[in-house]
Amino acid sequence: SQTIHQWPATLVQPVGSPLSLECTVEGTSNPNLYWYRQAAGRGLQLLFYSVGIGQISSEVPQNLSASRPQDRQFILSSKKLLLSDSGFYLCAWSRRQGGVEKLFFGSGTQLSVL
Amino acid sequence: GESVGLHLPTLSVQEGDNSIINCAYSNSASDYFIWYKQESGKGPQFIIDIRSNMDKRQGQRVTVLLNKTVKHLSLQIAATQPGDSAVYFCAENTGGFKTIFGAGTRLFVKA
Repeated sequence: SQTIHQWPATLVQPVGSPLSLECTVEGTSNPNLYWYRQAAGRGLQLLFYSVGIGQISSEVPQNLSASRPQDRQFILSSKKLLLSDSGFYLCAWSRRQGGVEKLFFGSGTQLSVL
Repeated sequence: GESVGLHLPTLSVQEGDNSIINCAYSNSASDYFIWYKQESGKGPQFIIDIRSNMDKRQGQRVTVLLNKTVKHLSLQIAATQPGDSAVYFCAENTGGFKTIFGAGTRLFVKA
């Protein structure tokens, strides 16, 4: 069965510090990978998606970047965090079933920038 | 532009009653719609989907209705249980890799 690991679960970082969130998927090959951000009490905003190693599509211009150094590894980074980067970050992979791209999410990282 | 929104931010129902969560969308080109359930502190989980060429789809205790005329869909949960308490998101996809989520409705189930 497929599993997705995301860490850390909670992170408190000062403004201006760097960020690195890691996500790995097991049990599947060549998955589509995604980073979403969820502000408190809000919906999910798609930040990046990747259909293969080194292939990154950015949906929202921002202070963040993503990389996919390996098939099942997806990393979200920032060189200098802003207060507005606070939120709940979710990694996901997808599988197409019956013509529907189904998303499977990790447990998320709650990032607080102070 | 693309947007998915919800009529009510919170919904409170008595245990055993049926729940109806509503969602409005604006993109007529959406290929299918999906409902996700998010429990506190966790990532969303897939519940059920419906293709744009369908009006109704049923799952286990859940039914999704799609009204393309008024661009509205709903999620009905039968015999709501305490474990159904969560935030429910409707989402739309135009057939590619981008799934657009709405703001969510928080469902409270009273015992």
